[in-house]
Amino acid sequence: AQKVTQAQTEISVVEKEDVTLDCVYETRDTTYYLFWYKQPPSGELVFLIRRNSFDEQNEISGRYSWNFQKSTSSFNFTITASQVVDSAVYFCALSIYNFNKFYFGSGTKLNVKP
Amino acid sequence: EAQVTQNPRYLITVTGKKLTVTCSQNMNHEYMSWYRQDPGLGLRQIYYSMNVEVTDKGDVPEGYKVSRKEKRNFPLILESPSPNQTSLYFCASSLRPPSGAQETQYFGPGTRLLVL
Repeated sequence: AQKVTQAQTEISVVEKEDVTLDCVYETRDTTYYLFWYKQPPSGELVFLIRRNSFDEQNEISGRYSWNFQKSTSSFNFTITASQVVDSAVYFCALSIYNFNKFYFGSGTKLNVKP
Repeated sequence: EAQVTQNPRYLITVTGKKLTVTCSQNMNHEYMSWYRQDPGLGLRQIYYSMNVEVTDKGDVPEGYKVSRKEKRNFPLILESPSPNQTSLYFCASSLRPPSGAQETQYFGPGTRLLVL
């Protein structure tokens, strides 16, 4: 069975702090895809990144970086020098190759205070 | 502009009164899907469709129906809504299933449903 766990329900930081959002996934399949989405207070879902299971390279995009480790089944998301505009709910998600369902974690609410 | 639209955005109804939430995409996407979002549970997939006339259950299909008569539309039907279907609903689409090599799902703005 497939499962995505985001153990951190809510995190509060002060602006300019670095913060890491954890994501642990479960699957027996060898080919799969991992995603992060952002849901700002306005409610829409914004795609951030997609990573396939064969690519364990870390990714950096501006202040955002992602650490994918198959050995620990984790796909963690770090925001460097957080800003108030980063306040949102962040979802990690999983899809399996040739299997048409999509699995979300329960989300982590990030509060960045000025 | 490429987009997924949902209507209505907000809906208050009573138990047992049939309702339909529409979803439409203008990107000629084959794959469409419905999710519900509940506090502490994240998003859970209700139904998805691989193409016209091809639909299948997600993880929480009970109490819902869907149809895919046209490629662009994927309505969600609640034949007899109950209070436990009070939720935030999202429609999404992608060119192919999200398990494909380069696929990304585009989400609609959400429909907030309250069943009294």
